[in-house]
Amino acid sequence: GENVEQHPSTLSVQEGDSAVIKCTYSDSASNYFPWYKQELGKGPQLIIDIRSNVGEKKDQRIAVTLNKTAKHFSLHITETQPEDSAVYFCAASMSGGSYIPTFGRGTSLIVHP
Amino acid sequence: DAMVIQNPRYQVTQFGKPVTLSCSQTLNHNVMYWYQQKSSQAPKLLFHYYDKDFNNEADTPDNFQSRRPNTSFCFLDIRSPGLGDAAMYLCATSRGAGSYEQYFGPGTRLTVT
Repeated sequence: GENVEQHPSTLSVQEGDSAVIKCTYSDSASNYFPWYKQELGKGPQLIIDIRSNVGEKKDQRIAVTLNKTAKHFSLHITETQPEDSAVYFCAASMSGGSYIPTFGRGTSLIVHP
Repeated sequence: DAMVIQNPRYQVTQFGKPVTLSCSQTLNHNVMYWYQQKSSQAPKLLFHYYDKDFNNEADTPDNFQSRRPNTSFCFLDIRSPGLGDAAMYLCATSRGAGSYEQYFGPGTRLTVT
C-alpha cells in the first residue's frame, strides 16, 4: 500500500518568515495530494491540493509543488502569521482501486509573533 | 454553515459501557469515513461507507461498529470501550472515491473513565 513520509514533525518560525513542509510517497499511481490544516480541538480542513497533471499550485500565501519523478511534494507558506500555527497533514490518494487517502504523520507549525 | 456535524462534541463514558457517536452531513456526499485520532498522531481510518457499501480496515477492532441508515447520517458504535479507546473521533465525507477532497467534522472527544 501507499506510504507517506512527512518532515519535519515540528517547525518553529518567526512571524513573517517562510515555512516549508515536505512529504514523500511510495506509490507512483497516486495522483491527488491534499494538504490539511488542523487547529487545536478542530477537524482537519483542506487548505490546498494538487493533482499529478500539474507541478505547482498557488493560493495567496500558500503554494504546493509536486515532483512526480522523485515522488515528493511540498507545502510552502510565505509571510507566516501567528494564525498559521496549527498541525499540517499531507496526504496521497489515487483514482479508483485503493482510493482511501494515506496521511502523513503531521507537522506542528509554530509561528512566533 | 456546518456541512459535517458531529454530536456530541464531548462524550464521557465508563469502561465497558457502550457509546454511540453520530455524524450527519448536508453535502449529499456518497462516501462517509470514521477516523480515530490520538494526541499528536495522524487520523487513523477505522472504516468507510461508499453509499451503502461498508468497508472495514483490516486492523479495526471488532469492538468498533458502524451504521449508515441513510445518505445523511452515519454512526460509530463502540460496544465495550476500553481506556485505550479514548481519542478524538473524526467523521469525514467526500463526493466520491479516488481523488476527491475530504470534508471533516469538528470531531467528538471521547473520554473513558
